[in-house]
Amino acid sequence: EAGVTQFPSHSVIEKGQTVTLRCDPISGHDNLYWYRRVMGKEIKFLLHFVKESKQDESGMPNNRFLAERTGGTYSTLKVQPAELEDSGVYFCASSQGLAGVQETQYFGPGTRLLVL
Amino acid sequence: DQQVKQNSPSLSVQEGRISILNCDYTNSMFDYFLWYKKYPAEGPTFLISISSIKDKNEDGRFTVFLNKSAKHLSLHIVPSQPGDSAVYFCAASPASGTYKYIFGTGTRLKVLA
Repeated sequence: EAGVTQFPSHSVIEKGQTVTLRCDPISGHDNLYWYRRVMGKEIKFLLHFVKESKQDESGMPNNRFLAERTGGTYSTLKVQPAELEDSGVYFCASSQGLAGVQETQYFGPGTRLLVL
Repeated sequence: DQQVKQNSPSLSVQEGRISILNCDYTNSMFDYFLWYKKYPAEGPTFLISISSIKDKNEDGRFTVFLNKSAKHLSLHIVPSQPGDSAVYFCAASPASGTYKYIFGTGTRLKVLA
C-alpha cells in the first residue's frame, strides 16, 4: 500500500511569488492534516480536513495560506504571496477517519520550501 | 507556549544499552500520546503510542511509559542499535475535537557502535 506522498520534495522561490504544495493521502483515508516545521523547531499543526471539509484551521498562520481538498482526495496548500518566514518543511499526514477513535497519523516525506 | 516539551535536544548512548527519551506536557486534556522517529530528509515515522487509560505500552524493543499525575512520558529503547539514531518527536492529542497533534521539539538520539 502506498504511503502519503507529497509534491514537490523541494521548492525554492522568491519572496512575493506563489507556491502550491500537493499531498496525496493514503488511499481511503478521510482525515488529512497539514503541519509545518520551521527552523528545526517543533512540528506545528496547520489544519485538518475530514474528506473535503475543513474541520480545524486554527493553525493557519494568516490569509496568505489557502488549503483545499476538492473531492476529498488529494489536498493542495497554496502560499500567496510567499514571505521569508514561510520557509520550512511542510508535512502532510493522513488517518483513516474512524468516528470517535484516536488514530495514528501517517506522515509524508514533506516539502522543503525555501523563500529567498 | 510550549504544551509538549522535550528538554533534551540530544542524547548519546552506546550500542546495546538502554536509551531513555523524555517528554513533559502541560495540558491535562491530552489523552493520546505518540512517539515518532525521523531520519534526515524524511517524514516522521510512527513508532509507538499510548492512551491515557494505560501507563505502559510495549512493542518489541520500544516501551512507552505514561505518568499522568506528573504529566510525563518516556520512551525506552532496549537494546539500542545504531539504526535507531534519529530525531525522536513526542506528540500529544486531546480527547476530542480534531485530534490534531501537538509536538515537542525533538531529541536527537545517537547510538554509538
